[in-house]
Amino acid sequence: DTGVSQNPRHKITKRGQNVTFRCDPISEHNRLYWYRQTLGQGPEFLTYFQNEAQLEKSRLLSDRFSAERPKGSFSTLEIQRTEQGDSAMYLCASTHEWENTEAFFGQGTRLTVV
Amino acid sequence: KNQVEQSPQSLIILEGKNCTLQCNYTVSPFSNLRWYKQDTGRGPVSLTIMTFSENTKSNGRYTATLDADTKQSSLHITASQLSDSASYICVVSLLDWGYSTLTFGKGTMLLVSP
Repeated sequence: DTGVSQNPRHKITKRGQNVTFRCDPISEHNRLYWYRQTLGQGPEFLTYFQNEAQLEKSRLLSDRFSAERPKGSFSTLEIQRTEQGDSAMYLCASTHEWENTEAFFGQGTRLTVV
Repeated sequence: KNQVEQSPQSLIILEGKNCTLQCNYTVSPFSNLRWYKQDTGRGPVSLTIMTFSENTKSNGRYTATLDADTKQSSLHITASQLSDSASYICVVSLLDWGYSTLTFGKGTMLLVSP
C-alpha cells in the first residue's frame, strides 16, 4: 500500500458542470475525511466516514456536494453545478478510529472552475 | 467554538538559522495535537503527534512542544534548510463522543532564504 491516492490530480471544468473526485485510502484505515483548502488557508473540514457510514458533514457541504463510501473502502466526492467559488484543493485523509492514530493525506485534487 | 490559532502567519529566515512556530488552541476535550508540513500544491505530511501527557516530541530537526494546561504548542526547526520552505499546520484532535475529529489551523508559511 503506497498511501492515500486521489484522482484526478487536477481538474478544470466549466461553471455549471458536475465533477467527481475519487479517494483511495490506506487499506486498513476505516476512517476517511474530505477537506477543502483554498490558497493561503488551512484545510477546512467537509465530511468524514467511518467504514461506509457518513458520520459528520460540515455546513460548508452545500446540497450541491455529495460524498459516498459505498463499500467502506474508496470514497467519491461529487460537486454538482460547479461555481467559481468551488475552485480549491480537495484533500482526502485516512486514519483508523483508534485514538491518536496517524492521519495520512493524499496529494489532493486541484479543481479550477472557469 | 473550537479553534486553532497559529502565529506568525508567515516567516522568512536565512538558511541555517533556527525558528519557532506557535499554535494556540481552544479545542476541548482534547485528544492529541499534530504538526504537519505542506509543500505548495501537495498534501500535508505528518511531522509529529502528541497526546496531552507528552510535553515534547522530536523528528529529526523538528521538535514540537506541548503545554496542555495553557493549550499552547510550538514547533522548533533547527538549522533550517531550503527544503524546509513550506506551510506548517497545527492540527488538534477533538475527542467527541468516542469519535475524534481534526481541527486545523491556517498554517504558518515559512520561507528559508539562501
